[in-house]
Amino acid sequence: QVQLMESGGGVVQPGRSLRLSCAASGFTFSSYGMHWARQAPGKGLEWMAVISNNGNNKYYADSVKGRFTISRDNSKNTLYVQMNSLRPEDTAMYYCAKDWGSGGFYFDYWGQGALVTVSS
Amino acid sequence: EIVMTQSPATLSVSPGERATLSCRASQSVSSNLAWYQQKPGQAPRLLIYDASTRATGVPARFSGSGSGTEFTLTISSLQSEDFAVYYCQQYNNWPPLYTFGQGTKLEIK
Repeated sequence: QVQLMESGGGVVQPGRSLRLSCAASGFTFSSYGMHWARQAPGKGLEWMAVISNNGNNKYYADSVKGRFTISRDNSKNTLYVQMNSLRPEDTAMYYCAKDWGSGGFYFDYWGQGALVTVSS
Repeated sequence: EIVMTQSPATLSVSPGERATLSCRASQSVSSNLAWYQQKPGQAPRLLIYDASTRATGVPARFSGSGSGTEFTLTISSLQSEDFAVYYCQQYNNWPPLYTFGQGTKLEIK
């Protein structure tokens, strides 16, 4: 069965960096696009970034463009997001999600999330 | 950016009754719309994609309809496990620029 497991969350000071990982299993990771989405405490869902199955195409929401970088290692079945210049408003639960296709479709599986708190 | 607007924000319904949730797009998204269910402390779960196709394992009491800018999620006979927050999401853009609605909280009346 499809499993997505995020890791790397924690408390970080404003302006610092953090990298989240998402370990995937139960499907052919290299065949599917992958996403990062987030949810601030008590708020709704916000899509952040998508990467195509081969890693050649990446797209970002305006709110994170230039600060966050999505990447993947298909040899390790792992998705990443590098988050730089973190702000208090980046405090959220961060989810990785599998795309139905190569990237550009709906999210058919989600991980359980990693909590990031940006605070001094 | 396509703005997705869900209504109502909160819906109070008794178990066994029908619930109808609405989602409106600021411009046409064709049928490129998904619905997700999220229970407290859990990740979202895909319910409906392509506006009206149930995802694997989703009970038949869930149905989706609509196209263009107006969409509806209907739960025909509410079960206790259906009380949750529901989000719509469009995936019509290329390059991708996904947007979610703000959510509808379905609560027990």
